[in-house]
Amino acid sequence: AQKITQTQPGMFVQEKEAVTLDCTYDTSDPSYGLFWYKQPSSGEMIFLIYQGSYDQQNATEGRYSLNFQKARKSANLVISASQLGDSAMYFCAHQGGRGSTLGRLYFGRGTQLTVWP
Amino acid sequence: KAGVTQTPRYLIKTRGQQVTLSCSPISGHRSVSWYQQTPGQGLQFLFEYFSETQRNKGNFPGRFSGRQFSNSRSEMNVSTLELGDSALYLCASSSGQDNEQFFGPGTRLTVL
Repeated sequence: AQKITQTQPGMFVQEKEAVTLDCTYDTSDPSYGLFWYKQPSSGEMIFLIYQGSYDQQNATEGRYSLNFQKARKSANLVISASQLGDSAMYFCAHQGGRGSTLGRLYFGRGTQLTVWP
Repeated sequence: KAGVTQTPRYLIKTRGQQVTLSCSPISGHRSVSWYQQTPGQGLQFLFEYFSETQRNKGNFPGRFSGRQFSNSRSEMNVSTLELGDSALYLCASSSGQDNEQFFGPGTRLTVL
C-alpha cells in the first residue's frame, strides 16, 4: 500500500511570512499524482494543488507552490505570504495511476497550520 | 459550475440502525469516491464508483456499501451502525482519469 508521511503535526507562522509543509511518499507506481488539500474547521476539503509524477515543472497555484523532488519522493507545499485565513489542517495525498490505486487517494495524517498576526 | 453536494450535512443515529448518505458530483464528472475521516484513523478510502460500476474498494466491512446512478449521483449505505462509525464522510468527484478530485462539504454522522 502507498504510504504518505507528514512529519509536522503542527506548524506556526507569522502573517506575511512563507511556510513549508513537508510530505514524503512511498510508492511503486511508475505514474502517480500528488495533491495537497486544506481542511478548515468546517470540515470541507479544499483542493489546493496537483503535481503529476511526469510533470517537468513544479506546480504553482497563486500563493501555493509544490516543491517536487521525485528522487527523494518528497512533495513539500510552500505557502508564500501567509494569511490569517490560511490557518487550517493541510493534507498531502497520493493517487496511483493504475490498478487498485487508480482513483484512490492515500492521505497523510495532516499538518495543523496556525498563522498568527 | 456547481460544486460537489452532500446530503444530509449532519445525522444522528443509534446503534443498529442503518443510514444512507448522498453525493452529487460536479456536472460532467463520472467518478465518485467516498472517504471516512475519524480522529483516530485519519482519512480512509471506502470505495470509488465510475460510470455506475464500483472500480475500487477499501478495507471496510460489508456493512458499508454504495452505488452510483446513471446521472453519476452516488449513495453510500451503512447498515447495523456501530459507535465506531461516527465520522465525517466525504465524497470526492473527478472526471475519472488520474487528476484532481474535488470534495464535498461532508456528512457528519454521529452514532449514539
